Amino acid sequence: AQSVTQLGSHVSVSEGALVLLRCNYSSSVPPYLFWYVQYPNQGLQLLLKYTTGATLVKGINGFEAEFKKSETSFHLTKPSAHMSDAAEYFCAVSNNNDMRFGAGTRLTVKP
Amino acid sequence: KAGVTQTPRYLIKTRGQQVTLSCSPISGHRSVSWYQQTPGQGLQFLFEYFSETQRNKGNFPGRFSGRQFSNSRSEMNVSTLELGDSALYLCASSSTGATDTQYFGPGTRLTVL
Repeated sequence: AQSVTQLGSHVSVSEGALVLLRCNYSSSVPPYLFWYVQYPNQGLQLLLKYTTGATLVKGINGFEAEFKKSETSFHLTKPSAHMSDAAEYFCAVSNNNDMRFGAGTRLTVKP
Repeated sequence: KAGVTQTPRYLIKTRGQQVTLSCSPISGHRSVSWYQQTPGQGLQFLFEYFSETQRNKGNFPGRFSGRQFSNSRSEMNVSTLELGDSALYLCASSSTGATDTQYFGPGTRLTVL
């Protein structure tokens, strides 16, 4: 079975500071990994995904994530937070036709 | 092209009733997945349909069912509603399935009284 653990249900950063959202996965086969963002009262929007190949994945809005197989991690980062980044972020893993999401991390950006 | 649409956006039902939610995927997408989102349980996978066939199912009771039509539109049905079924129900479509990029609709907010 596959699963995702997101460390930290709430993360608060100052505007301009580094954003780091942590995600660890469990999968019996090479995983497909995703980060989604959800703004209030909206569906989920894909930020980036890892399938195969380059382990550093760049996504939209300046976000990127690095797949580290030895650590079973797929942490999301952004060098400089903007107020508009305030949202809930979900890490997800899929290795067949079943996608499993983490519990989510709510990001707050302080002015 | 148009995104994933879900109808209705909001729904209020009472315990014991049944409800049907609808999802229209992006044109050309053959896979539709359904998720339940609640504050306590987070995002949970309900089921996935591909070309009118259910390919995968999450750990939900039989009261939750779905179907997909030949035009890839999908419906999910919940019978004998319980208070705990109150949630945001999200539909996502993709070309091939969960390993592909999934595009989410805005969701249907179901409140069970």
